Amino acid sequence: EAGVAQSPRYKIIEKRQSVAFWCNPISGHATLYWYQQILGQGPKLLIQFQNNGVVDDSQLPKDRFSAERLKGVDSTLKIQPAKLEDSAVYLCASSGGTALDEQYFGPGTRLTVT
Amino acid sequence: GNSVTQMEGPVTLSEEAFLTINCTYTATGYPSLFWYVQYPGEGLQLLLKATKADDKGSNKGFEATYRKETTSFHLEKGSVQVSDSAVYFCALEATGNQFYFGTGTSLTVIP
Repeated sequence: EAGVAQSPRYKIIEKRQSVAFWCNPISGHATLYWYQQILGQGPKLLIQFQNNGVVDDSQLPKDRFSAERLKGVDSTLKIQPAKLEDSAVYLCASSGGTALDEQYFGPGTRLTVT
Repeated sequence: GNSVTQMEGPVTLSEEAFLTINCTYTATGYPSLFWYVQYPGEGLQLLLKATKADDKGSNKGFEATYRKETTSFHLEKGSVQVSDSAVYFCALEATGNQFYFGTGTSLTVIP
């Protein structure tokens, strides 16, 4: 079974530029999560989708971050414009199947904003 | 609100030593509790979980018991190996499949 795929793995941009991350969850997983993990901290949930609907986006900085999950499969997370404090690893995870509470994580995208 | 507090690291142990990583939580309702592990250069992986009070989760020699009276879910292993070197995250799942993670504890096991 293929795992959660993310791309790119690394990205370096200047502040005020825009960036997009892509995630492909495990096939059949209805729930998809985007997390931000700042160095030395635990993952912080940004947004959670159930199929193509948003379940929770209370911690998403909506003035600069946006996310979508078209057709309930792939998802993209966008930052526009980026700030220095957005430097972090962005993790995508999915859950579904028989164990709805077990999340499977992708390798993450390491973003550096200079 | 919901939160997880983990023992700060880094933790360095000799091979075959006993490991404890403390985790306490605050939650409304009855959350499920998890330990995730992140090996160097890899993504987070579920290590073990417990879904109700007094449950014990176990995997790869690691154990953790869901203690409602002390709101704790401490991770233990009787004899660590070099291959256990990783960052360990305690997490809880609140209602609505919302997850909250601790800050992580880095473990280094030396031969």
